[in-house]
Amino acid sequence: QKEVEQDPGPLSVPEGAIVSLNCTYSNSAFQYFMWYRQYSRKGPELLMYTYSSGNKEDGRFTAQVDKSSKYISLFIRDSQPSDSATYLCACRNQGGKLIFGQGTELSVKP
Amino acid sequence: DSGVTQTPKHLITATGQRVTLRCSPRSGDLSVYWYQQSLDQGLQFLIQYYNGEERAKGNILERFSAQQFPDLHSELNLSSLELGDSALYFCASSVGSTSLTDTQYFGPGTRLTVL
Repeated sequence: QKEVEQDPGPLSVPEGAIVSLNCTYSNSAFQYFMWYRQYSRKGPELLMYTYSSGNKEDGRFTAQVDKSSKYISLFIRDSQPSDSATYLCACRNQGGKLIFGQGTELSVKP
Repeated sequence: DSGVTQTPKHLITATGQRVTLRCSPRSGDLSVYWYQQSLDQGLQFLIQYYNGEERAKGNILERFSAQQFPDLHSELNLSSLELGDSALYFCASSVGSTSLTDTQYFGPGTRLTVL
């Protein structure tokens, strides 16, 4: 079993839709949670991070962590075609390496 | 642009060969990380160097090795290449080494194709 599980999709939504991307993790020592965005043929770029349960908002993006159920989510409001990319969740414990999910491929159709 | 550079962008080689991938970290970053990304395994951590010393190892094969030089650039050496080594190889860099909040910035990657 992988330490971080993520549905690879693909996920296709119409422009303007609310997108929900999710990951589960098994290691309760993980303390730091990130979402990376990866456009086709590019390197991943950090989108958001959080290290506590609850919500963190940045513009149209909201990251949510529920440590009790080991569940992390990324919500995208008013999705745009430019949001089409692969979204990777990642988890980390103190002094540890980043463990990435498989990535979810998102396509936002105009 | 993350500030991390990787060369070459593409590499096509044959089974059994050896290749070297190169990475230059962002200015001021002391840590360099190498990752392998394939369709079936996703993004897998291989190895980390901090200021010239190996700091952490992940799922790196014995046929693979890496080093970080005094100018902080790093090289990943892949030898006795197999078809299954075909993948995207990313380098990332960060300021520190083990801080929970240390952000890793990824380069554009090297696409390796083994024929």
